[in-house]
Amino acid sequence: DIQMTQSPSSLSASVGDRVTITCRASQSISTYLNWYQKNPGKAPKLLIYGASNLQSGVPSRFSGSGSGTDFTLTISTLQPEDFATYYCQQSYSVLTFGQGTRLEIK
Amino acid sequence: EVQLVESGGGLVQPGRSLRLSCEASGFTFDDHAMHWVRQAPGKGLEWVSGISWNSGSRGYADSVKGRFTISRDNAKNSLYLQMNSLRAEDMALYYCARVNDTSGVYNFDIWGQGTMVTVSS
Repeated sequence: DIQMTQSPSSLSASVGDRVTITCRASQSISTYLNWYQKNPGKAPKLLIYGASNLQSGVPSRFSGSGSGTDFTLTISTLQPEDFATYYCQQSYSVLTFGQGTRLEIK
Repeated sequence: EVQLVESGGGLVQPGRSLRLSCEASGFTFDDHAMHWVRQAPGKGLEWVSGISWNSGSRGYADSVKGRFTISRDNAKNSLYLQMNSLRAEDMALYYCARVNDTSGVYNFDIWGQGTMVTVSS
């Protein structure tokens, strides 16, 4: 199976900051990469699909980039509701998720 | 409103069985593949199983292969997960998720709220 490794595992930031989360695949997955946001007690929410496509209804401060093995999720200006855990997921082969990146308030 | 509602979770002893259900509404159920994803307490998301729109294709994570069976009833807009020989490591919140692949990239665009499975003697 393809392993997905996110970095950092946790991140502290302030409202208004720009943050970037990285996801690396153990082999090339083209752009078969999705990003999800997970808040405690809530269902996961699709943010980005196909590495860089913004899901309908998701604020434009979220963006994704990358192809092959290296991908990034960027939040341009952090809002209070963005403090959550973020997961990447590859859909190139047997589905796998990254281990998650917990974004905390500084 | 597009919605997925899971049910069937609960407390079960190791080695016993449980059947989860997921009822869909607000969309054409048989237009979509469906999956189960779980999250153990304090852990990340883990893909469990998936099924194509017509049940012609099914897949399982190695951790559940041979013990879990996914199925669906399109007439009832429902997805199921039969879980046998349950282990402590199966304890988790189980989510059903709808597949959207219209972009050519398989992703989960709609999720339920989850149903909790607790495995303990």
